[in-house]
Amino acid sequence: DGGITQSPKYLFRKEGQNVTLSCEQNLNHDAMYWYRQDPGQGLRLIYYSQIVNDFQKGDIAEGYSVSREKKESFPLTVTSAQKNPTAFYLCASSKDPYRYGYTFGSGTRLTVV
Amino acid sequence: DQQVKQNSPSLSVQEGRISILNCDYTNSMFDYFLWYKKYPAEGPTFLISISSIKDKNEDGRFTVFLNKSAKHLSLHIVPSQPGDSAVYFCAASANNAGNMLTFGGGTRLMVKP
Repeated sequence: DGGITQSPKYLFRKEGQNVTLSCEQNLNHDAMYWYRQDPGQGLRLIYYSQIVNDFQKGDIAEGYSVSREKKESFPLTVTSAQKNPTAFYLCASSKDPYRYGYTFGSGTRLTVV
Repeated sequence: DQQVKQNSPSLSVQEGRISILNCDYTNSMFDYFLWYKKYPAEGPTFLISISSIKDKNEDGRFTVFLNKSAKHLSLHIVPSQPGDSAVYFCAASANNAGNMLTFGGGTRLMVKP
């Protein structure tokens, strides 16, 4: 079955450490996205990529980095520069958002300890 | 500037009654709208969509209404069931938006048995 997989589901990070969240899709979608959700809040766009080897900053890119070396993969690194990284992170992909919207992964909950 | 707004952060409804979730937008270029449903610690799942050439789209218990002149859409759930308890996000897209969806802040629906 095609889908989008995020791992790990739960992640704990010590202050000052970088961590990388995985996102893999086998839907053959060109576009991929990273969102952050805080408790009681909506979805805020961190980064997105419309094609391999290209990505764009979203609304809250500071303290995050991404790469898109393969169509299937769009990992997100939360760096030590991100001041408040504890949140629920969602990855999504799309063939054509205008017609089909996004397909979301199941999310990664990151907690700084 | 929030282009898509869901002004009610929460809604409580009795089982069997109608749930009405509202969404307003400001960008007149938006011409495709989607509703997503999200359970805690999971990714959002697509529920229903509507194109601006229509004013109503129905799928089982779910109906989305679009009022273009008012820049308003609503999701009706009839009859509401306890399993419908979740956060609902509306999203909007424009044909020239570069493969992006703009999300509202979400409305938490609680259906009481």
